[in-house]
Amino acid sequence: DAKTTQPPSMDCAEGRAANLPCNHSTISGNEYVYWYRQIHSQGPQYIIHGLKNNETNEMASLIITEDRKSSTLILPHATLRDTAVYYCIVRGYSGGGADGLTFGKGTHLIIQP
Amino acid sequence: ETGVTQSPTHLIKTRGQQVTLRCSSQSGHNTVSWYQQALGQGPQFIFQYYREEENGRGNFPPRFSGLQFPNYSSELNVNALELDDSALYLCASSPDRILRNEQYFGPGTRLTVT
Repeated sequence: DAKTTQPPSMDCAEGRAANLPCNHSTISGNEYVYWYRQIHSQGPQYIIHGLKNNETNEMASLIITEDRKSSTLILPHATLRDTAVYYCIVRGYSGGGADGLTFGKGTHLIIQP
Repeated sequence: ETGVTQSPTHLIKTRGQQVTLRCSSQSGHNTVSWYQQALGQGPQFIFQYYREEENGRGNFPPRFSGLQFPNYSSELNVNALELDDSALYLCASSPDRILRNEQYFGPGTRLTVT
């Protein structure tokens, strides 16, 4: 799996858009970008994933650059409940043996009131 | 809430003992993965089960073993507990093997080994 790089921490004001960057310069053509978050003392929560087109769901938007070497997770109107560690993970979609998700250290997003 | 439940919530064991942790998958999910999360670290993959067979394993010794039952619930067993086994143990279920990267996590079991 391609390695990802994320800033260790970020702050965002409540009500504003939170933009979380992720670099994955060694991503290969069949690898997807997944985002999870983990609120303190809870299990990780799946947010969104994408291959090369931008994706949006009820939680967030995922913007992937044309060269696919980086992406940005956007929380459009951040609330205090969005304070969490956000993990960017690059994985092939299927095939081969299952070796689980590789979680790095993620970005600790703190939403300020 | 994901619909994935784990028991017990907390557990304290002594070094050398054995422990069994349990997980009920989200309804309709046939793939279960287990992770270990040490304090301040991201979760580390232990193994995955698909239709009652181990389908993949991370870098954990054989004293970490598991089972998946016909109803897709699962157990994680750890023998000969060590102090470093103290961690949050997370179970995650997926809709199927193909969608295994869309994982829905339970709240975890906090294991303390003394």
